[in-house]
Amino acid sequence: EAQVTQNPRYLITVTGKKLTVTCSQNMNHEYMSWYRQDPGLGLRQIYYSMNVEATDKGDVPEGYKVSRKEKRNFPLILESPSPNQTSLYFCASSSQQGYTQYFGPGTRLTVL
Amino acid sequence: QQQVKQSPQSLIVQKGGISIINCAYENTAFDYFPWYQQFPGKGPALLIAIRPDVSEKKEGRFTISFNKSAKQFSLHIMDSQPGDSATYFCAASPSNTGNQFYFGTGTSLTVIP
Repeated sequence: EAQVTQNPRYLITVTGKKLTVTCSQNMNHEYMSWYRQDPGLGLRQIYYSMNVEATDKGDVPEGYKVSRKEKRNFPLILESPSPNQTSLYFCASSSQQGYTQYFGPGTRLTVL
Repeated sequence: QQQVKQSPQSLIVQKGGISIINCAYENTAFDYFPWYQQFPGKGPALLIAIRPDVSEKKEGRFTISFNKSAKQFSLHIMDSQPGDSATYFCAASPSNTGNQFYFGTGTSLTVIP
């Protein structure tokens, strides 16, 4: 089954404790993105990638890091999480720009 | 600064009615305009998308109307059903920047039986 998976689905952590949210897709897609969803703000793009070792900042990259060492994986790293990073995070992938983005199920992160 | 402005924030429609959600943008580099549907607890899923070379695209009960000169596009849901109750997001993407996407703030649609 074609899908984007994210782990963990739920995470409660404390300020300053480094964490990684994993994202994996099995569709051989070139493009991948990370978004955060907050009430009243919609989805905002954090980082995106066009291929292995090719990443770029989205609209709200501050406080986040990403890497794309393999085509299928695109982890999101929070080196020192803060409470304002409490949010619902989505990973997405697509075969090309301007084609269907497939979203993962989301990761709900709470930073205390 | 919101690159894509979406309205209304919420919408209540009777079963069988027409639901209309509007979006506006300023950046003329945008050339791909998708609409996503999101159910509670799920990730967004592509509903329908349009490019600026056409003014309308229809897929079943869902239609996108696109006005390039006004820099506006809208989603029309004909014969709205209770199963259409969800949050809808418009988005825009410029092809010259790789994979950037800008989303609207979302519209919560409730279809009353």
